[in-house]
Amino acid sequence: GAGVSQTPSNKVTEKGKYVELRCDPISGHTALYWYRQSLGQGPEFLIYFQGTGAADDSGLPNDRFFAVRPEGSVSTLKIQRTERGDSAVYLCASSAHPPTSGAYNEQFFGPGTRLTVL
Amino acid sequence: GQQLNQSPQSMFIQEGEDVSMNCTSSSIFNTWLWYKQDPGEGPVLLIALYKAGELTSNGRLTAQFGITRKDSFLNISASIPSDVGIYFCAGHSIIQGAQKLVFGQGTRLTINP
Repeated sequence: GAGVSQTPSNKVTEKGKYVELRCDPISGHTALYWYRQSLGQGPEFLIYFQGTGAADDSGLPNDRFFAVRPEGSVSTLKIQRTERGDSAVYLCASSAHPPTSGAYNEQFFGPGTRLTVL
Repeated sequence: GQQLNQSPQSMFIQEGEDVSMNCTSSSIFNTWLWYKQDPGEGPVLLIALYKAGELTSNGRLTAQFGITRKDSFLNISASIPSDVGIYFCAGHSIIQGAQKLVFGQGTRLTINP
């Protein structure tokens, strides 16, 4: 079956511009995650959705970053007034509904969107 | 943000050699994971460890969950060219946050044929 897809695969923008990055999770997965991966680093957590609501947005670096998931499926990560430091690969992952115990449920990652801010 | 301490940062080996990498944390994790990432792709799960002291194999890969729950290692035996890539450890904690993963900085594996 289809995995997690992300569009665009590459995005080049100018400092100060607004960008939107899209994630299509695996069909039926209720949980969705955004991570940011800077060059030479591991992914860093940004935000986690359970259904339509953001269950944990503690990783968003500042109020220029915002994410939505209005129908509980596709999610959009929005970055306002982009800065050169926002340049990174933005990864999306999805998982089936997590157990109520809070135990780990496997996250499946998409290929990412490479954002370059000039 | 928090990242796990993963070493070595890079490895250059000959085909057929064994590989070992490890990961440490100042915090306890309930689950340790090892991922591989190829260029232009997202991380793919290799092995998941759920219990302290657990030793798990997946083909030529073996990983262990440290008994203190603050470390893990991954071994690759008899390396082959397709093992080239970046390997990441990741930890998940029920205490620290619902479902977020904390990753190491990665180990870049290069194999000389």
